[in-house]
Formats: sequence, C-alpha cells, structure tokens
Amino acid sequence: QKEVEQNSGPLSVPEGAIASLNCTYSDRGSQSFFWYRQYSGKSPELIMFIYSNGDKEDGRFTAQLNKASQYVSLLIRDSQPSDSATYLCAARTGGGADGLTFGKGTHLIIQP
Amino acid sequence: KAGVTQTPRYLIKTRGQQVTLSCSPISGHRSVSWYQQTPGQGLQFLFEYFSETQRNKGNFPGRFSGRQFSNSRSEMNVSTLELGDSALYLCASSFITGASGANVLTFGAGSRLTVL
Repeated sequence: QKEVEQNSGPLSVPEGAIASLNCTYSDRGSQSFFWYRQYSGKSPELIMFIYSNGDKEDGRFTAQLNKASQYVSLLIRDSQPSDSATYLCAARTGGGADGLTFGKGTHLIIQP
Repeated sequence: KAGVTQTPRYLIKTRGQQVTLSCSPISGHRSVSWYQQTPGQGLQFLFEYFSETQRNKGNFPGRFSGRQFSNSRSEMNVSTLELGDSALYLCASSFITGASGANVLTFGAGSRLTVL
C-alpha cells in the first residue's frame, strides 16, 4: 500500500518567517514528488516537483528530497499571509500513466 | 490559454441514481486523470486516460467508470450512487505522457457531488 504521510497541522508561522512542511512516503519505488497548494474551496495548484536527491529552488520555495530517508520537504521563505493554505505532498511511482498518491495535506497559517 | 474545464460544478443526486461528469483538458494535453477528494480520505486517484485508452486505475469499485473521446475530452460516470460518493471530483490534464515521472498535472475547478 503506497502511503504519503503529512502532519495535518495547523502549522502557524509568523509573517516573514520560514515555513517548513514535511512529508514521508512508504513506497521506495517512488520516483517523483510534487507539492500542491490548495486554498479553501479551490482546486490544487502545483508549486514544485522534484525527482533528484537534494534541493530545488524556485523563488521563495525550496523543495528538498532525501530518497534514503523517504522524506520530502517544502520550505517557504519570507512567508506571506497569502501563503495560508493547505499544502499537499504527492508521490508517483512510475511513469506518466501512474496516478499520484497524495498525503492528506498540512494546513498552514501565516500570522500577520 | 484556457485551463481544465469541468462541468457541472455542483450537483445533487439521490442514492441509487447515476451521474456523469465532464472534463475538457487544456488544449494540447492528451492525458486526463480523475481524482476524488473527501475530507476523510483526501485526494485519491480514480483513473487515467490517454488517447482514448484507460492506462491506469485506482482502487475504486466498478461503479466508477470513465472514457475519453478523440478530442481528449473525458467523462466519468458513477452508477448506483451511495452516500459515501459525496465528494469533490477533480479532473487533471497533462502534456508529458511518456516514461518521465515529472508528468505535471493541472487540475480543473472540480465537480462537487452531493448524494442524499
């Protein structure tokens, strides 16, 4: 059974600080990992994807992958109130036809 | 560039009825996936279609089915509705369809189904 685990939160972070979101996955065959952001009542939107060990940066966002530890994280620098949302971590085992296995999401609150 | 379009956005059905949901992918995207989102189970994969063929299926009963047309538009059908089928049904399309694991999904706004 493929599982992706996330702390449901809420995770409360002051404005301007770094928000750190974590995710673990059970299937060692997982090859690619995705972070989606979902605002209340909206559909998920992609923030980043990563498939190589190490860090990947995009603006204020950094995704980190450690396949040996089966661990993925997302760092949000200079957090803004508009970053308040649920963050979904997802993993895919195989190629393009494989569905994503999603975690249940971490609710992030940025306090002004 | 238009996004992924799902219709209807909201619908209410009663137990035992069936429902058909529609999805138009982003122009040029040939892969369409469907997901069910509920508060208890989160987002769960239903199935994926490419070139009118179902290539993968999640762990859902046979009451859930889908199809894809030659223009890449897709429909999913749920027969004999149960209360537990109440959920947000999300369609996602993608352009990269090969072996690359970096197949990025773009989601539509979803169809919210309520079963009474």
